[in-house]
Amino acid sequence: QKEVEQDPGPLSVPEGAIVSLNCTYSNSAFQYFMWYRQYSRKGPELLMYTYSSGNKEDGRFTAQVDKSSKYISLFIRDSQPSDSATYLCALLEIQLISNFGNEKLTFGTGTRLTIIP
Amino acid sequence: DTGVSQDPRHKITKRGQNVTFRCDPISEHNRLYWYRQTLGQGPEFLTYFQNEAQLEKSRLLSDRFSAERPKGSFSTLEIQRTEQGDSAMYLCASSSPGEQFFGPGTRLTVL
Repeated sequence: QKEVEQDPGPLSVPEGAIVSLNCTYSNSAFQYFMWYRQYSRKGPELLMYTYSSGNKEDGRFTAQVDKSSKYISLFIRDSQPSDSATYLCALLEIQLISNFGNEKLTFGTGTRLTIIP
Repeated sequence: DTGVSQDPRHKITKRGQNVTFRCDPISEHNRLYWYRQTLGQGPEFLTYFQNEAQLEKSRLLSDRFSAERPKGSFSTLEIQRTEQGDSAMYLCASSSPGEQFFGPGTRLTVL
C-alpha cells in the first residue's frame, strides 16, 4: 500500500463549478499537509499548506485536513480555466539527520484537472 | 529570474550512455533536493543535501546514480549506464528551510 493515495482522475468540470480533490494517507508521522499545482512542463508550485485538522482558506481555495481519518481535501470555488493543471497532495515528515531536519515530501500521484470554459 | 534553474531542460540519450544534469538553487537556500517524476505519478524523493553534505539517499537511487553539491551551491546528478527505466522528469528543489521551491525539471528520454 502506498503511503499517499490520490485519485489520478482526469477530472473535467465546467467553469464556475466547485472542485473537490482528495488524498488519503497511512503514515501518522506526517506533520504538514500541502497542495501543489503543476502546469504542463513545469515544476510543482506550492498552493497551500496546513499542519492541523480543520479548514484553511486562501481566496478561492480551501484545504481541509482530518487527521483522525487520515484524509485531506482541496476545494476550489468558482473554478477558472486558468486552474487547469495537475494538483498534487504532498505530505511532509521532518526527519532529524545529523542535527539537521530533512523535510522530506511524499507526493500523491496527482489529479489532472481541466476547467471547461 | 531568481528561481531554481535546471539544465538541460531535455536530454535524449541512448541506453548505456552516461548523463549529467545540473541544478542551480535559489542563492540563499542551504537545502537542496532531487526528485524523480514519471508519467502519471507524483515526484519521488531521491536525495537531500544540507549545504555540501548529502544527508539522505532514497532506495530509488541505485549505484548508477550519484549526486554532488561540491561547494554548497549548484548540484549535479549523474546517471551512469542509462536504462530505459531511467526515462523520467528529474526535478530539483531548494529551501532555506521551509517551502521547497522547484525548478522546471530535466526531462530524460532513454532510447
